Amino acid sequence: AQSVTQPDIHITVSEGASLELRCNYSYGATPYLFWYVQSPGQGLQLLLKYFSGDTLVQGIKGFEAEFKRSQSSFNLRKPSVHWSDAAEYFCAVGRGGANNLFFGTGTRLTVIP
Amino acid sequence: DAGVIQSPRHEVTEMGQEVTLRCKPISGHDYLFWYRQTMMRGLELLIYFNNNVPIDDSGMPEDRFSAKMPNASFSTLKIQPSEPRDSAVYFCASSLLSGGAYNEQFFGPGTRLTVL
Repeated sequence: AQSVTQPDIHITVSEGASLELRCNYSYGATPYLFWYVQSPGQGLQLLLKYFSGDTLVQGIKGFEAEFKRSQSSFNLRKPSVHWSDAAEYFCAVGRGGANNLFFGTGTRLTVIP
Repeated sequence: DAGVIQSPRHEVTEMGQEVTLRCKPISGHDYLFWYRQTMMRGLELLIYFNNNVPIDDSGMPEDRFSAKMPNASFSTLKIQPSEPRDSAVYFCASSLLSGGAYNEQFFGPGTRLTVL
């Protein structure tokens, strides 16, 4: 069965600093991987997704993620964090042939001035 | 497009009352999902539909929960009777599976339910 682990519950970074949010998945075949962001009081918005091909995926708002099969990871990165990036970030995995997703428990990002 | 629409945005009710949450998916989407989000359990998939047919309801917590999708543009999630432990934010999402490709789910703003 597929599953997703986000080891960090809460991360605090300074504005302008770089960011990396960790995501590890468990799935036997090639996974479909997603990162979503949830701002306070809002629904989830897709940041980026990986299906196949180039393992470095670019998303919206300056985010990128790298798929590493050997490490079963799909970490989210941003070179310079802005105060508006403060939110909750969810990694999710899907499987081919089905359209449902399994979400991680989320990582809350706090950005300090 | 207006995106996924959910109503009400907030609902406060008393234990034992019936609660109905509503969702209008994005026009043309053929999948609809209901999620529940709590601090303790995170984001849980309750049920999802494909072309108005329930595909997987294994996440529905118990018989007090029911969901329907009478047509492509409307779905309801009903809790009867409601209990305090049902307090959560309920999200509806929709997506379009085209050409065998896995497409993103678009989420509504959620309904915050409080059961007193």
